[in-house]
This record gives sequence, structure tokens and C-alpha cells, in this order.
Amino acid sequence: AQKITQTQPGMFVQEKEAVTLDCTYDTSDQSYGLFWYKQPSSGEMIFLIYQGSYDEQNATEGRYSLNFQKARKSANLVISASQLGDSAMYFCAMRESSMDSSYKLIFGSGTRLLVRP
Amino acid sequence: DSGVTQTPKHLITATGQRVTLRCSPRSGDLSVYWYQQSLDQGLQFLIQYYNGEERAKGNILERFSAQQFPDLHSELNLSSLELGDSALYFCASSVDSGGVSQFNEQFFGPGTRLTVL
Repeated sequence: AQKITQTQPGMFVQEKEAVTLDCTYDTSDQSYGLFWYKQPSSGEMIFLIYQGSYDEQNATEGRYSLNFQKARKSANLVISASQLGDSAMYFCAMRESSMDSSYKLIFGSGTRLLVRP
Repeated sequence: DSGVTQTPKHLITATGQRVTLRCSPRSGDLSVYWYQQSLDQGLQFLIQYYNGEERAKGNILERFSAQQFPDLHSELNLSSLELGDSALYFCASSVDSGGVSQFNEQFFGPGTRLTVL
């Protein structure tokens, strides 16, 4: 069964510094996709970045980059130059092939990031 | 704004009651996913509809049901409500094309916060 593990329930980072949020996944499929979402205190889910299993380059979106290590089954999110507005809950999620052709997402338990001024 | 709308934003009801949550997907998106976010279960997939038909079921209770209408909006019906059903319910929509490793962003609505007293 597919599984996403986020081992850091909470993290602090100083404003303007970089931070890495860990995510490991478990799948026997060769074809899958990995997502990171941000959930601020207001509750909405904001898509940050995506990595497909066949993508050879690590994904980047502005200050967000994904450190994809396929052999280790890890997909860590790196936020550079942290801002106060980055304080939020961050979820790693995976989509893999399934018998029902569903693209449903399986989420990790999340990491709460607090950015200190 | 993701383009996905959910109503109502907040719902307070009593145990044993029945409620209906409504979701309108982004224009052109055929897939609607329902997710539940609770303190003890985290974010979990409930059910997916694709172009009016049920495609996948997750950890959805028998007291819960959903449907997708010809205009592609979806409703999640929760009956015989219990205290433990209090949660944030998200609807997400997606185009869902190509293979599972192809990027198909799921756009999340703002959620409906259900409180069962």
C-alpha cells in the first residue's frame, strides 16, 4: 500500500534562511507523481510544486524546489529565503497508478513550519 | 482563487442530523474528489467522481454518500452525524488526463468546516 511519511511534526526557521521539509514515500510502482501543498491558518490548500517519477530534473517553482531522490524514495521540499508568510502546514502527497484509474492523492501527516522574524 | 467553489463555508449541526455539502469544479474539469481533514485522521481521500460516475472510493463511511450531477457539480451527503464527523471537508477538481505521472493538478476548494455538537 502506498504511504507518505513526514517525520517532522513541527519546525522553526529564521526569516531569510532556507529550510528543508522531509518526505519519504513507499510505492512499488514505477509511475507516480509527488506533490507539495501549503495550508495556511486560513485553511485553504495551496499547490506548491510537483515532481513526476520520470522527471530527470528536480522541480523548481520560485523559492520552492523539490529534492527528488528516487532510489531513496524521498521528495524533500526546500524553501529558500524563508518569509513570515511561509508559516503554515505543509503536506507531501503522492499519486500512483491504481486499478480504478483514479488520480487520488495520498497525504502525509504534514509539517508545521514557523518562520521566526 | 482556485476556481473551485464549496458551500457552505461553515456548518454547525447536531448529532444524528443529515447535511449536504456542495462543490462546483473548475470549468472543464471532469473529476471531483472529496477529502476529509480531521485532527485524528489527517487528510484522507473519501471518494472520486469522473464525468458523473463514481471512479474510486477511499475511507468513506457507509453513512456518507456522494453524487456528481450532469452539470458536473457534486454533493457529499453526510447522515446520522456523530461528533467524530467534525472536520474540514475539501472538494478538489482536476482534468485527469494522460498517465499517472503526468502533471494533473488538483485544485482545492476553500473547504466546508463541519462542526457536529
